[in-house]
Amino acid sequence: QQQVKQSPQSLIVQKGGISIINCAYENTAFDYFPWYQQFPGKGPALLIAIRPDVSEKKEGRFTISFNKSAKQFSLHIMDSQPGDSATYFCAARGGSNYKLTFGKGTLLTVNP
Amino acid sequence: NAGVTQTPKFRVLKTGQSMTLLCAQDMNHEYMYWYRQDPGMGLRLIHYSVGEGTTAKGEVPDGYNVSRLKKQNFLLGLESAAPSQTSVYFCASSPQGANYGYTFGSGTRLTVV
Repeated sequence: QQQVKQSPQSLIVQKGGISIINCAYENTAFDYFPWYQQFPGKGPALLIAIRPDVSEKKEGRFTISFNKSAKQFSLHIMDSQPGDSATYFCAARGGSNYKLTFGKGTLLTVNP
Repeated sequence: NAGVTQTPKFRVLKTGQSMTLLCAQDMNHEYMYWYRQDPGMGLRLIHYSVGEGTTAKGEVPDGYNVSRLKKQNFLLGLESAAPSQTSVYFCASSPQGANYGYTFGSGTRLTVV
């Protein structure tokens, strides 16, 4: 049972455009929602995270939007750059669960 | 501050051979995890540990064993390697508590021939 569903699997965006990746979860006990960025040959790195008591969190060009009632959250990358080309994973964690539950990832390509 | 260090970075094994992957963290984290990453499959949890001397099974534990004799180290063992275990393996660690993300290592690329 996949508890965090991520879409799309792949995304191609032109330089300067907005990249949007969506995730949906089922477990209402989740209360921590991070996004990870992974470049080829590297381990995933924490990009930005949000808790459900806020609807939006922004760090530079990266924004998480969170909709608790719909059990959905999304990553928006503004003014996308070729250097943003990477695989992005959403994840969720909460309650007494020691583990993050990951989405299957989105391969983002930003064309120059 | 090295974070999470994995050794080796690359390894080629023959079917039936055994090996141990080492993960070391210097952040005094309580929790440690082993994942494998395969194309189209995302990150799948193999085993994890919530403290020194404790281990637990994840989603895909078959064919692997783990040990955490010291808080800073988490070892992943393959007793008899199979081609299906060809993958990239990532170790991660996390502070105690539900509201923290993981710090990942840089991975070990394992090929079983």
